[in-house]
Amino acid sequence: AQKVTQAQTEISVVEKEDVTLDCVYETRDTTYYLFWYKQPPSGELVFLIRRNSFDEQNEISGRYSWNFQKSTSSFNFTITASQVVDSAVYFCALISNSGGSNYKLTFGKGTLLTVNP
Amino acid sequence: GAVVSQHPSWVICKSGTSVKIECRSLDFQATTMFWYRQFPKQSLMLMATSNEGSKATYEQGVEKDKFLINHASLTLSTLTVTSAHPEDSSFYICSARRTGGAEAFFGQGTRLTVV
Repeated sequence: AQKVTQAQTEISVVEKEDVTLDCVYETRDTTYYLFWYKQPPSGELVFLIRRNSFDEQNEISGRYSWNFQKSTSSFNFTITASQVVDSAVYFCALISNSGGSNYKLTFGKGTLLTVNP
Repeated sequence: GAVVSQHPSWVICKSGTSVKIECRSLDFQATTMFWYRQFPKQSLMLMATSNEGSKATYEQGVEKDKFLINHASLTLSTLTVTSAHPEDSSFYICSARRTGGAEAFFGQGTRLTVV
C-alpha cells in the first residue's frame, strides 16, 4: 500500500520568512516517483517538481528547494523568503506501480500555507 | 507539450439533471485517465481509473452508475454525473497518463454546483 503523510495541516508565516513543508511517504516499491503540486484558490494543480526514487540529489529552483531523503522516506519542500503569492495549498504525491496499479497518484492531505504581508 | 484540457471549468445544474465533463489530452495519447473529486479544504480523492477501450475501474465507495466514465479514444475521457444532487457539488479534476509513461498531467478542474 502507498501512503503520503503531510503532518502540517496549516502553516502561517510572515512575508520573507523561510518555510518548510514536510512530506513522508510509504511504499514497498523500489521504483517510484514523488511530486509536489501547488493549488492556488483557482483550483488548478500547478506542477512544481518530480523526483524519481533513484535520484536523491536535492534540487533548487529559485526560491524553492527540495530535500529528498530515502533513509527517512521524506521529501520536504522549502520556500525561501516567502511571498504573499506563495499562499496556496501544497500537495505532496507519490506514484508507483504496485501490483499493476496503473501508476495511480496517491496524494497527501495537503498543507495550507498562508503568507501574510 | 503534455497539455490536458478539461471542460467546462464550472457548471451549475438543477437537481436531477445530468452533467458531462470532458477531459482531453491535447498533444499526447493517453492510455490511462484518472478522475478525482475534491471537497472544500480536503485532498484529492481518486474516483476511478479509465483505460482506453475498456471499462473504468472504480475506487471503493464510488457509485459507478452515478458517475459514468467513458474513455472512447486515446485523447478523450468523459465523466457524466447522472441525476445530480446537491451533495454531488464538488471540484472534479482529471489527469491523463501518457502511453508508456508514469507521470500524469492534470486538467484545470471543473467546479460543479447542483442547485
